[in-house]
Amino acid sequence: AQKVTQAQTEISVVEKEDVTLDCVYETRDTTYYLFWYKQPPSGELVFLIRRNSFDEQNEISGRYSWNFQKSTSSFNFTITASQVVDSAVYFCALSEANAGNMLTFGGGTRLMVKP
Amino acid sequence: KAGVTQTPRYLIKTRGQQVTLSCSPISGHRSVSWYQQTPGQGLQFLFEYFSETQRNKGNFPGRFSGRQFSNSRSEMNVSTLELGDSALYLCASSLDELPYNEQFFGPGTRLTVL
Repeated sequence: AQKVTQAQTEISVVEKEDVTLDCVYETRDTTYYLFWYKQPPSGELVFLIRRNSFDEQNEISGRYSWNFQKSTSSFNFTITASQVVDSAVYFCALSEANAGNMLTFGGGTRLMVKP
Repeated sequence: KAGVTQTPRYLIKTRGQQVTLSCSPISGHRSVSWYQQTPGQGLQFLFEYFSETQRNKGNFPGRFSGRQFSNSRSEMNVSTLELGDSALYLCASSLDELPYNEQFFGPGTRLTVL
């Protein structure tokens, strides 16, 4: 069965620090998709990125970057020069090719960025 | 383009009652999924509907049910409410049933069971 683990339940940083959120996953499928979502206090989950299992290329989008390593089953998320607006709960999620739109979520990491 | 809408946003019920939550997906999206979010269990998948058919179901008791209409709008129903059903219920819509599509989430319905 699939599983996603986010070992860091809470991280607190000071503005402008870099921070990395860890995500480790388990799946028996060879084709799968990994996602990161952000949940601000309003509660709505906001999509950040999707990666498929055949694409290990790292990605950078502004201050955000993602490191996907199949060898360690990890899909880590780094925020560079964090800002107060980055404060939220971040979820890593997995979907398998044969499971439709069913997402398996990690427990989430609450990021607090202090001014 | 309007986002995913969920109604009502807040609900208070008592044990034993039943409740119906509604979700309107983004126009053109045909897949709707439901998730339950609680502090203890986190985000858990309830079920997915595509073209009015349930495609996947999570590990929840039969008290939790859902349906999808021809316009892709979806409802979920919880019968015989228990205290543990208090949660944020999130609906997500996607273009189709393929797993690599982005899912767009609604603001959720916060259900409190007293």
